[in-house]
Amino acid sequence: KQEVTQIPAALSVPEGENLVLNCSFTDSAIYNLQWFRQDPGKGLTSLLLIQSSQREQTSGRLNASLDKSSGRSTLYIAASQPGDSATYLCALNYGGATNKLIFGTGTLLAVQP
Amino acid sequence: DAGVTQSPTHLIKTRGQQVTLRCSPKSGHDTVSWYQQALGQGPQFIFQYYEEEERQRGNFPDRFSGHQFPNYSSELNVNALLLGDSALYLCASSPTHTNEKLFFGSGTQLSVL
Repeated sequence: KQEVTQIPAALSVPEGENLVLNCSFTDSAIYNLQWFRQDPGKGLTSLLLIQSSQREQTSGRLNASLDKSSGRSTLYIAASQPGDSATYLCALNYGGATNKLIFGTGTLLAVQP
Repeated sequence: DAGVTQSPTHLIKTRGQQVTLRCSPKSGHDTVSWYQQALGQGPQFIFQYYEEEERQRGNFPDRFSGHQFPNYSSELNVNALLLGDSALYLCASSPTHTNEKLFFGSGTQLSVL
């Protein structure tokens, strides 16, 4: 059974700090990995998608890395802003093009102004 | 482009009742997946539809069923509701047999009393 763990469960930082969110998984035979953002009571917004053959992806202030050998992915957020406050979820795709995702439980991020 | 739309946004039912949730995929997408997200948890895969057939299913009982229509929209039906079915139900769409990002709707919040 694939298990996805996200640490920490919650994080509070002052505005402007750089921060790292962690995602670990037990089965490294992934097809791709996505990081999502979820605002309270809302749906998910895809932030970054890393294919299994890639090491990292960048979008603006966000950088996601993937290390399959160690079963880890990190999401790096530079110069955090209060608007970054949300829950961040990593999701692993083991099903290839069928896009069946296994989600972690998320990290709740609060950026204090 | 309206993205993925779900209806209703909120729903209150009592134990034993039946419920139908609806989803319209993003334009150009023909695969629809449904996820259940309990409070404080990551989403869990229920099932996936394309070409009007259920193609994959997660670990959910037969009380959960679905349908996809020729215009690619989809319904999720839950019979004999239990208190534990209270959750945010998310619909996601993608083109079939591709490795593109999933797009999620804002979800239907179901409360079972």
